[in-house]
Amino acid sequence: QSALTQPASVSGSPGQSITISCTGTSSDVGAYNYVSWYQQHPGKAPKVMIYDVSNRPSGVPDRFSGSKSGNTASLTISGLQAEDEADYYCSSYTVGSSTWVFGGGTKLTVL
Amino acid sequence: EVQLVESGGGLVQPGGSLRLSCAVSGFTVSSNYMGWVRQAPGKGLEWVSVISSGGSTYYADSVKGRFSISRDNSENTLFLQMNSLRAEDTAVYYCARRSPSTWGLFDYWGQGTLVTVSS
Repeated sequence: QSALTQPASVSGSPGQSITISCTGTSSDVGAYNYVSWYQQHPGKAPKVMIYDVSNRPSGVPDRFSGSKSGNTASLTISGLQAEDEADYYCSSYTVGSSTWVFGGGTKLTVL
Repeated sequence: EVQLVESGGGLVQPGGSLRLSCAVSGFTVSSNYMGWVRQAPGKGLEWVSVISSGGSTYYADSVKGRFSISRDNSENTLFLQMNSLRAEDTAVYYCARRSPSTWGLFDYWGQGTLVTVSS
């Protein structure tokens, strides 16, 4: 049950695009399309932004998109806005063990 | 409206026990997979445990043998019994529902309850 690997931090200016990677193994990220992304502001509960690799819940802006290639998933935020500044976590279901795993988190700074 | 409200957190000595509760409204706990996710101060999210709609339980290696997840169907409440607590168990504990439509998503979360293990 090793955590998924994310960069510790990324940054971008308003209006720019950024991408956060999430690397796992063939037992989790690479196994099925059960990857989700969560946004967390300080002192708040996580909020889902992307599920099943690339699906957006209702209410999430289409500036947020997700993709996957092999054992690495990615979250892209285009047209960065100040309110996007937060911590982002990827998560995956782990096939075979019926467990879930999160990434270490990425702090997004909007310059 | 869906609400998940955790309670039971607090200060406990190493080796002690604590029982967390998560009162749910807006859906039926026993018809869903329900779980606990924790976050140590200044750290990332860590999956802790899940109970299936059928009652099967699953645990992270870090808590296996020490923590026990359960539910009270009549009270529509989820529990986490934590025994043999260690300093590294200090965290905010969130209860969450695993989405009924996909395995990888926790779609509803509570606001969390803080557990501090310290002498």
